Amino acid sequence: NAGVMQNPRHLVRRRGQEARLRCSPMKGHSHVYWYRQLPEEGLKFMVYLQKENIIDESGMPKERFSAEFPKEGPSILRIQQVVRGDSAAYFCASSGGQAFTDTQYFGPGTRLTVL
Amino acid sequence: AQSVTQLGSHVSVSEGALVLLRCNYSSSVPPYLFWYVQYPNQGLQLLLKYTTGATLVKGINGFEAEFKKSETSFHLTKPSAHMSDAAEYFCAVSVVGNQFYFGTGTSLTVIP
Repeated sequence: NAGVMQNPRHLVRRRGQEARLRCSPMKGHSHVYWYRQLPEEGLKFMVYLQKENIIDESGMPKERFSAEFPKEGPSILRIQQVVRGDSAAYFCASSGGQAFTDTQYFGPGTRLTVL
Repeated sequence: AQSVTQLGSHVSVSEGALVLLRCNYSSSVPPYLFWYVQYPNQGLQLLLKYTTGATLVKGINGFEAEFKKSETSFHLTKPSAHMSDAAEYFCAVSVVGNQFYFGTGTSLTVIP
């Protein structure tokens, strides 16, 4: 029974490049959440998606960031034209039920380093 | 608006001693409360959660937390610390139809 999977675990990009982070939710889960963790800080909510729909993206930066959760395949968090301030750990979580009250299961995270 | 405050970014206890990690929240409506643990280079793992009902919640690994509405607190305790408890602990709050808000975390060190 695989848990939430994220890849890559570590990603290095130069300023101006694009970063694509992937998240495969637990089997049977249709709710996906993305969080960003900056050094010495807690997790900050970014976006909540269900299959083919963005439900809440109030935590997403207005520019350069986008997310999708297609009918088939993993959820993708895409960061265009990365800057040094984007360096952080990005965590994906999934749940099987109602948003934010059902237990969220977290993946191991993708650590993005922007040079 | 909701928010979470974790007092003490670093807590050290001796092995076998009581663990007490503090969490206070701010919420305009009855919240759901969670404690998560994060081991190095890993994702967060749910320790316990409070939704409704009994205010003393028992979780995994011998941890428990008590919801005190009058104090807007949800402190995490464990009677006897073990070396394997060394990790980062996050308190979180959510309300129905809203986001998860995490505290900034408390790093627990267990001294042999």
